[in-house]
Amino acid sequence: DTGVSQDPRHKITKRGQNVTFRCDPISEHNRLYWYRQTLGQGPEFLTYFQNEAQLEKSRLLSDRFSAERPKGSFSTLEIQRTEQGDSAMYLCASSFLGEQPQHFGDGTRLSIL
Amino acid sequence: GESVGLHLPTLSVQEGDNSIINCAYSNSASDYFIWYKQESGKGPQFIIDIRSNMDKRQGQRVTVLLNKTVKHLSLQIAATQPGDSAVYFCAENIRGAQKLVFGQGTRLTINP
Repeated sequence: DTGVSQDPRHKITKRGQNVTFRCDPISEHNRLYWYRQTLGQGPEFLTYFQNEAQLEKSRLLSDRFSAERPKGSFSTLEIQRTEQGDSAMYLCASSFLGEQPQHFGDGTRLSIL
Repeated sequence: GESVGLHLPTLSVQEGDNSIINCAYSNSASDYFIWYKQESGKGPQFIIDIRSNMDKRQGQRVTVLLNKTVKHLSLQIAATQPGDSAVYFCAENIRGAQKLVFGQGTRLTINP
């Protein structure tokens, strides 16, 4: 399977704990994106990378959130001191440069107890 | 503001019929549009895209129409099949930005 891969698929944690998600994009893609999706809503943009550079962050991305793409390949999204409102599906997408479709993984569903 | 909306939250059609899913957008600077299909527990799946210099684009059983005058986008699915049941999102890319703005989605149900 050469699509976008995300791990874990599900994460349940207690409020206040830190969590980290991983995304492996389609290998030839330069751009990698993170989105968050809550029930019944469309995905909302969080941040994106071009190669290893993080070029844009949404105001949704509070100081508790940090994303990295150290070698321009896989990316991690960490949430520190999780809160109830962080419960959502976290989606990763990748694309070529320019106006090209973003291809999504199946997401990590985060549940905060 | 930046928004992508859908006229109907749910749509139910008979198997074999054609379906049309509509989408309104408000940002005239949007120059690239994508339709996605999302099944339960999965990520959005790319269906078809269209650039603002086009009015129509066809794929396999799907057609996207873009009316820039009224900022309207539609997805037509021909000869619907049970596997077409899903939530469909339109998304827009605003010129110069590198993020997609999604609407709320339309749930399409195919009745046997």
